[in-house]
Amino acid sequence: NAGVMQNPRHLVRRRGQEARLRCSPVKGHSHVYWYRQLPEEGLKFMVYLQKENIIDESGMPKERFSAEFPKEGPSILRIQQVVRGDSAAYFCASSPDGTLYGYTFGSGTRLTVV
Amino acid sequence: AQSVTQLDSQVPVFEEAPVELRCNYSSSVSVYLFWYVQYPNQGLQLLLKYLSGSTLVKSINGFEAEFNKSQTSFHLRKPSVHISDTAEYFCAVSDRGRGSTLGRLYFGRGTQLTVWP
Repeated sequence: NAGVMQNPRHLVRRRGQEARLRCSPVKGHSHVYWYRQLPEEGLKFMVYLQKENIIDESGMPKERFSAEFPKEGPSILRIQQVVRGDSAAYFCASSPDGTLYGYTFGSGTRLTVV
Repeated sequence: AQSVTQLDSQVPVFEEAPVELRCNYSSSVSVYLFWYVQYPNQGLQLLLKYLSGSTLVKSINGFEAEFNKSQTSFHLRKPSVHISDTAEYFCAVSDRGRGSTLGRLYFGRGTQLTVWP
């Protein structure tokens, strides 16, 4: 069991570029959660997905951000036209059934916008 | 939505001293409570959790936390810290919601514990 795998670990983008962050959940987990950690702050919930469905995106910024969790492959968090304020650590967590039992975090992707 | 307050952003202590990291949450409804630890440039590791049962929960490395419903608190303690305990500690709460909110965690801003020799 490899746990939650996030890649890349570090990502540098210039302003205006697109950032794609990937999250492979624990094998057998079909529920994925994305969180963002701004500098010197705690994690803030962004979006909750099940396979092929967005269940709760109430924490996502209204523009430029999108997320998907296709039937095959990892979950993707996509940020279009990045700005400096998007610089943060983005963490993914997975759960087997949408509960907190077995809830596991990945090591995160640190996005730096220059 | 829950609000989680970690009252101290920085806690410096000397090695082998006791430490308490404070955490309060906003809602009086039934909750699940967690402490996570984050070492520099690493992800979150679950330290301990309260889901039900005994209000005192313990980790394998000597930390413990007590759920106090009347004070809506879940303070983290260790009687004798080690230099290797230096890290950022996050308190998190889930409000036992149903459906889409069940797996959603609300985090405090974190407490940086620094242990000096």
